[in-house]
Amino acid sequence: GAVVSQHPSWVICKSGTSVKIECRSLDFQATTMFWYRQFPKQSLMLMATSNEGSKATYEQGVEKDKFLINHASLTLSTLTVTSAHPEDSSFYICSAPDRSNYEQYFGPGTRLTVT
Amino acid sequence: AQSVTQLGSHVSVSEGALVLLRCNYSSSVPPYLFWYVQYPNQGLQLLLKYTTGATLVKGINGFEAEFKKSETSFHLTKPSAHMSDAAEYFCAVRFSSNTGKLIFGQGTTLQVKP
Repeated sequence: GAVVSQHPSWVICKSGTSVKIECRSLDFQATTMFWYRQFPKQSLMLMATSNEGSKATYEQGVEKDKFLINHASLTLSTLTVTSAHPEDSSFYICSAPDRSNYEQYFGPGTRLTVT
Repeated sequence: AQSVTQLGSHVSVSEGALVLLRCNYSSSVPPYLFWYVQYPNQGLQLLLKYTTGATLVKGINGFEAEFKKSETSFHLTKPSAHMSDAAEYFCAVRFSSNTGKLIFGQGTTLQVKP
């Protein structure tokens, strides 16, 4: 099956700094990618839809100036958490849909800890 | 509004027993339905999916699910639980096109006792 990678798999940063997370589709092109966050023992919450070559679409309640999304190519989307705070600590997961089979492929996730 | 509900945040079964994880959805249009499994600190792995056609869907690791339109349900079952089945399970629904976003249920933690 298709593979989606994320980098880094985990990151620790200090409060006030920015962190960039990469999501790559390794063997297929993804004009759309999705970014989710997951708090411990909770479900995935969609943050935004990343669209190649255009602006991302953010879900209600998600601060677009804080969570910057760039989808510059058909295989790469990035999520930058700006001015991170401890409450941004979470598990961030990206996914990319494969148009041919209705499936979405998920990355392995990135554990962000803000100290 | 479109939504997905998983009944039971925590299910505990004995090894070898039947596994039944419940999922109901609300939608005014035919949905695409998915079950995913998540192990600790990992991403999601697709167990099975329903798009069109046969309503009984077989997936990996011996799991299957049946789409029942009249009950708006897509329950996940496995005849005999294995210790390795202990994980978090998510039901998800996609309502729009094949690139539409997924809406996830709250998740069910499956515990398998020896």
